[in-house]
Amino acid sequence: SYVLTQPPSVSVAPGKTARITCGGNNIGSKSVHWYQQKPGQAPVLVIYYDSDRPSGIPERFSGSNSGNTATLTISRVEAGDEADYYCQVWDSSSDHQRVVFGGGTKLTVL
Amino acid sequence: QVQLVQSGAEVKKPGASVKVSCKASGYTFTSYYMHWVRQAPGQGLEWMGIINPSGGSTSYAQKFQGRVTMTRDTSTSTVYMELSILTSEDTAVYYCARVSRPFKPFDYWGQGTLVTASS
Repeated sequence: SYVLTQPPSVSVAPGKTARITCGGNNIGSKSVHWYQQKPGQAPVLVIYYDSDRPSGIPERFSGSNSGNTATLTISRVEAGDEADYYCQVWDSSSDHQRVVFGGGTKLTVL
Repeated sequence: QVQLVQSGAEVKKPGASVKVSCKASGYTFTSYYMHWVRQAPGQGLEWMGIINPSGGSTSYAQKFQGRVTMTRDTSTSTVYMELSILTSEDTAVYYCARVSRPFKPFDYWGQGTLVTASS
């Protein structure tokens, strides 16, 4: 089964850049989606198809995907960005398509 | 506007079953697949399966095969997720989330339903 690996935590000072990675075997051949989840709330889509932003998501959020690593980058980090972030792909390696999530990364704004 | 409204919190004894509903509004119900994702306390997101509201076909994660049943009622635009033989490890928040077709992202999520399995 396909596995996505994220660092458990990332810390960054306000105004700096946060980078959250998502590792997977040849993940660059897949489309990666990223979700932000704040305590007590449902996840919210922040990046889809590796690097596209839904309407309403600030331009400070961007994404890239190549080789074995996808990256979510948050520029000029604000206190309100503190949340858990999850990467997600669709895995077609078995008989059926299935959804795979990374383990999540807690972003702490210092 | 698109809304996915889930049923309220449940407390069940181990060995029992639970059925969670997700009522959709604001879009054509049969045009979007519905998934169920759960999140145990302090843990990450775990995909459970998918139902196609148009024909009712389903696909479940291997972990839940034989224990989960997803159904839909097109007359009320509602999907259901029933999980049987509950254990304490099934204590989690259960979310429904829609997607327009495979490989697309989840664009709307329900508010979540807390299911507690405890004696």
